[in-house]
Amino acid sequence: GESVGLHLPTLSVQEGDNSIINCAYSNSASDYFIWYKQESGKGPQFIIDIRSNMDKRQGQRVTVLLNKTVKHLSLQIAATQPGDSAVYFCADRILTGGGNKLTFGTGTQLKVEL
Amino acid sequence: DTGVSQNPRHKITKRGQNVTFRCDPISEHNRLYWYRQTLGQGPEFLTYFQNEAQLEKSRLLSDRFSAERPKGSFSTLEIQRTEQGDSAMYLCASSLLAGVGNEQFFGPGTRLTVL
Repeated sequence: GESVGLHLPTLSVQEGDNSIINCAYSNSASDYFIWYKQESGKGPQFIIDIRSNMDKRQGQRVTVLLNKTVKHLSLQIAATQPGDSAVYFCADRILTGGGNKLTFGTGTQLKVEL
Repeated sequence: DTGVSQNPRHKITKRGQNVTFRCDPISEHNRLYWYRQTLGQGPEFLTYFQNEAQLEKSRLLSDRFSAERPKGSFSTLEIQRTEQGDSAMYLCASSLLAGVGNEQFFGPGTRLTVL
């Protein structure tokens, strides 16, 4: 069935270090993947996305890697800052009937230690 | 602020009461989505609209739940005869019909507590 899951529920990193958050998905029909950041009491905030025809995409301090062979997605955050502390969700979209609905994983809590 | 807005931000109600939430999407966005998020979990899809048409509903959306988007702009989500299990954050998102990735932009959510 459809499922998107994360390997680690909590990740603690030192300020200035790089962070890597991993995600596995199960449906090979997924064609689009997104990382969201959610701070306490707020809605998810779009970080970066990647289409299934790509294996890497870079943004400002963030990189998303997609390995379709093993159905694995990762988010890399360079020079992690205290403001990066939040829960990070990966989500995938399965294009059935143009619905565009997203399936989210359970989230990884990123804690940045000073 | 030109983002997605939701009202109220918090709602406390007694079991058995009806509640209604409102979502105002980004003005040019054709699609509007409702999700539910419980503590420690990712958002779960409930339903979505393309303009005023409700095109898909999740099995999570029981008969007590109804959503409308009468003029293709704002949307309301009503829960009748609330149950304690309905306690959650209700998130609204909107997106363009066409675009690079049809990115969904989320509102701040309405946190519902059913006593």
